[in-house]
Amino acid sequence: EVQLVESGGGLVQPGGSLRLSCAASGFIFSNYEMNWVRQAPGKGLEWVSYISSGGTTIYYADSVKGRFTISRDNAKNSLYLQMNSLRAEDTAVYYCARDPPTGTAHFDYWGQGTLVTVSS
Amino acid sequence: DIQMTQSPSSVSASVGDRVTITCRASQGIGSWLAWYQQKPGKAPEFLIYAASSSQSGVPSRFSGSGSGTDFTLTISSLQPEDVATYYCQQVNSFPLTFGGGTKVEIK
Repeated sequence: EVQLVESGGGLVQPGGSLRLSCAASGFIFSNYEMNWVRQAPGKGLEWVSYISSGGTTIYYADSVKGRFTISRDNAKNSLYLQMNSLRAEDTAVYYCARDPPTGTAHFDYWGQGTLVTVSS
Repeated sequence: DIQMTQSPSSVSASVGDRVTITCRASQGIGSWLAWYQQKPGKAPEFLIYAASSSQSGVPSRFSGSGSGTDFTLTISSLQPEDVATYYCQQVNSFPLTFGGGTKVEIK
């Protein structure tokens, strides 16, 4: 069974840092491209970042570029999001999502999400 | 960036009704479009990829169509378990972008 389990969320002050993790199981993690997507309270979905299966290609939304860093450890079946210089507008549930190696670029499995709250 | 516009923002229909949700891209994206369903308090779930393809496990009452800039998600016979917010997503180019969502309720 495919599972994606996020962790690392919590309450952080503006300007602070947080590192999110996504533990993958039930599939060959190193074959899959991965993404982070966030959802502010009561709002819609916002794509945050993408990383290729080997970690060599990375993209970010403009809203997080220069502040967030996506990475992965295929040996540990894990995806990460290092978030620095956090702002109130970064408050959201953060989801990791799998992108299958079919060339169709969609997110076929999502984690349950982890809540990040940026507030003083 | 490619903007995705969904309509309507909400729809209320009776059980058994046909429900149609529209998604428009600000520029042509071929068939590079996906649809997701998000039930209250839950993570999104994948419904449709490549504008009109679904995978096993997705009820057959859900179908997608369109190409270029105009796309449609149709629920052929609305069921109580379909109460959710539906999102389209363009996967043609980065940054990937989602539509604003369509909330589907039972009348």
